[in-house]
Amino acid sequence: DIVMTQSPLSLPVTPGEPASISCRSSQSLLLSNGYNYLDWYLQKPGQSPQLLIYMTSNRASGVPDRFTGSGSGTDFTLKISRVEAEDVGVYYCMQAVQVPYIFGQGTKLDIK
Amino acid sequence: QVQLQESGPGLVKPSETLSLTCTFSGGSTSTYYWSWIRQPAGKGLEWIGRIYISGHIDCNPSLKSRVTMSIDTSKNQFSLSLTSVTAADTAVYYCARGNGDYHYDYWGRGTLVTVSS
Repeated sequence: DIVMTQSPLSLPVTPGEPASISCRSSQSLLLSNGYNYLDWYLQKPGQSPQLLIYMTSNRASGVPDRFTGSGSGTDFTLKISRVEAEDVGVYYCMQAVQVPYIFGQGTKLDIK
Repeated sequence: QVQLQESGPGLVKPSETLSLTCTFSGGSTSTYYWSWIRQPAGKGLEWIGRIYISGHIDCNPSLKSRVTMSIDTSKNQFSLSLTSVTAADTAVYYCARGNGDYHYDYWGRGTLVTVSS
């Protein structure tokens, strides 16, 4: 199985400040079609996960443009340009290049 | 609007079979796949498997010998059975819709299943 490693695991952020989460995979997530199959999900407190970013850099419907995904191969990053209070929760990356799909351990973002 | 709703017993005895159903509405079935994902309390997400309307199934090898999945498009439902459960199977179980670009765009609210005698 592919191993997904996120860092940091805890991320306290002051509102209005930027935040960045790293996700590394043990195998390349780049397929021959040129796409990297890496998604980002946010699980807000008490809720089910919601899709933020798919295929590395595509924002899901309704996701604010302060969220940006980037990367290729084995190294990926989710950046929030200016954190807002509603962004608190646990962020998960997930590889979808092969089954079983594997999630990272999660990064808990909270407000300072 | 697409909606998914898990249903099933909240309590299952050790060694018995966990059975859950997910009812979906608001979208077509043919272009998607349907998955189960679970989350033990305070822990991360574990992918259980997925089923296509063709009946093709992919399962997590860690659970494969205990997992059965099925789909009934006439009822807009798909189901999960997990046999020989132990306390380690206690978790919130989510159903989710998988998109052709290999991401989950809609999730159910989740249902807590506790394995205990």
